Amino acid sequence: SAVISQKPSRDICQRGTSLTIQCQVDSQVTMMFWYRQQPGQSLTLIATANQGSEATYESGFVIDKFPISRPNLTFSTLTVSNMSPEDSSIYLCSVEDNRDEAFFGQGTRLTVV
Amino acid sequence: DAKTTQPTSMDCAEGRAANLPCNHSTISGNEYVYWYRQIHSQGPQYIIHGLKNNETNEMASLIITEDRKSSTLILPHATLRDTAVYYCIVGSSNTGKLIFGQGTTLQVKP
Repeated sequence: SAVISQKPSRDICQRGTSLTIQCQVDSQVTMMFWYRQQPGQSLTLIATANQGSEATYESGFVIDKFPISRPNLTFSTLTVSNMSPEDSSIYLCSVEDNRDEAFFGQGTRLTVV
Repeated sequence: DAKTTQPTSMDCAEGRAANLPCNHSTISGNEYVYWYRQIHSQGPQYIIHGLKNNETNEMASLIITEDRKSSTLILPHATLRDTAVYYCIVGSSNTGKLIFGQGTTLQVKP
């Protein structure tokens, strides 16, 4: 299994500002994934982050709004840029182990005011 | 990735088996069926997955029909702590990408 730590666990931010969310894994993993969960909704995949290459974004998500870094095999960051109230969500990172099981962090609960 | 259809909500009595159905009629030959659950205010938790054979682990059993167009997750003795949203997901192995539907909200009642 993998243990994932996300920081911050929650934050309240002013519109127009940016927040960087950190995801730390206790083991080396090839791919890390970032999801968004809007209030009362299911999870939506934002992007896949591979070490040493640019992230791959899903339809509806762009790098300028959600830049991602993946400097090594245990760490990634997601930035939510130029925030608006519509960005208020829970943001989660995830990894998959070699048994095809995905593990999730506890999420970052973001409120934009 | 194939789409899944699940009932919006279900109730189950504590101590009884909870049977959660999932339809995935467009599943392709190399796609697995995965089940995750999300307890309130937590990240999703892996439960079980399978390709075509039935699977069982310490948490649950997964029954996949012979034509693979549907499956059932079975929690053999539901407890109040099993109250959660259960997601049935179909996808290729080792991509790591999970496409979540709306899931089934299971309410286990005393």
